[in-house]
Amino acid sequence: DQQVKQNSPSLSVQEGRISILNCDYTNSMFDYFLWYKKYPAEGPTFLISISSIKDKNEDGRFTVFLNKSAKHLSLHIVPSQPGDSAVYFCAASGSARQLTFGSGTQLTVLP
Amino acid sequence: EAGVVQSPRYKIIEKKQPVAFWCNPISGHNTLYWYLQNLGQGPELLIRYENEEAVDDSQLPKDRFSAERLKGVDSTLKIQPAELGDSAVYLCASSLLAGGVTGELFFGEGSRLTVL
Repeated sequence: DQQVKQNSPSLSVQEGRISILNCDYTNSMFDYFLWYKKYPAEGPTFLISISSIKDKNEDGRFTVFLNKSAKHLSLHIVPSQPGDSAVYFCAASGSARQLTFGSGTQLTVLP
Repeated sequence: EAGVVQSPRYKIIEKKQPVAFWCNPISGHNTLYWYLQNLGQGPELLIRYENEEAVDDSQLPKDRFSAERLKGVDSTLKIQPAELGDSAVYLCASSLLAGGVTGELFFGEGSRLTVL
């Protein structure tokens, strides 16, 4: 039972355009959501997060949107840069503060 | 500040052999996690420590996997005997508080295991 789903295994975007990565969750008890970025042969690194009391959080080029009624969140990267090419993992946590990860989306930003 | 350190980075063994992975978390981080990452999948929690106590090991296959965190700092994850299906990346992570104040975990680079 996948509680956090990233249905797009891969995404290609032209440099300078917007990248939109999507994530769906099924557990209504999740109240904190995070995005991690992973380069090959490295561990995941924290990118941005959002609490369930908000619907948007912005940090530079990265914005995360949360739609609680749809149990959906998305990560927007604007403008996309070649260095953004990586695997992006969506993760969610509840009261136990244990992270449940999605399967990841490989983003490729084309120069 | 040094990050989470894991060793070895790569390990190739034959099935039925034992293997051990070591993790040194970020200094001062009380919570330590071992995650398993299969190819094309996200990390899956194996065990979580609060200091030296394993507070969540429900996903750890206890027939062949064991872990310890003596003195509440470094941790070792062991597999004995290894099976073909254990080939994966074993990630260690740490956080200051349980799940971090914001849920943020700091990951090491991982130990990639190949079982032949």
